[in-house]
Amino acid sequence: EDQVTQSPEALRLQEGESSSLNCSYTVSGLRGLFWYRQDPGKGPEFLFTLYSAGEEKEKERLKATLTKKESFLHITAPKPEDSATYLCAVQQWGGNTGKLIFGQGTTLQVKP
Amino acid sequence: GAVVSQHPSRVICKSGTSVKIECRSLDFQATTMFWYRQFPKQSLMLMATSNEGSKATYEQGVEKDKFLINHASLTLSTLTVTSAHPEDSSFYICSGLPGNTEAFFGQGTRLTVV
Repeated sequence: EDQVTQSPEALRLQEGESSSLNCSYTVSGLRGLFWYRQDPGKGPEFLFTLYSAGEEKEKERLKATLTKKESFLHITAPKPEDSATYLCAVQQWGGNTGKLIFGQGTTLQVKP
Repeated sequence: GAVVSQHPSRVICKSGTSVKIECRSLDFQATTMFWYRQFPKQSLMLMATSNEGSKATYEQGVEKDKFLINHASLTLSTLTVTSAHPEDSSFYICSGLPGNTEAFFGQGTRLTVV
């Protein structure tokens, strides 16, 4: 069964304390892996797309990496405004290629 | 990134009534749009794929007669929750793919059925 699992479920960090979020996936024919940020009561905001193992993408304090089985979202020196739920999603080849399968998300809280 | 606008952001309706939610792509044409549902503390689950000019494709377990989808133009898809009941209360979110890769999401609609 196609599955996306994120860990930890929740993460509390002090401002400046770097950490990583994990997204493990089991899907047939990975077309792309996506990271989104979701603030409470809002729709997801696109962060990154990764297509192949070894690929890395960076944006400000965030860096996403991809292997054949998992992806990491590294947060370097986070600030309180980085507090949000981070969602990982995968897209498969074949069938409904636009469909995204989401993980449960990691809720990050960064304290000043 | 592309802009998807969803309206309304919040709606409260009485049990048994119908509610329409609009999803517009503001800066791209969307032949396909997607409707998701999100329960509290849970992730997004795809409900249906909306296809411009043709019938929507529903995911397994989603009642097509309860969740009516219309995609009459390249920039507008609507989701109508018919005969709403309290268990339909949820956060509904639409998305579009401007380049057939990254999905961009609307702001979401919080539906409360009383």
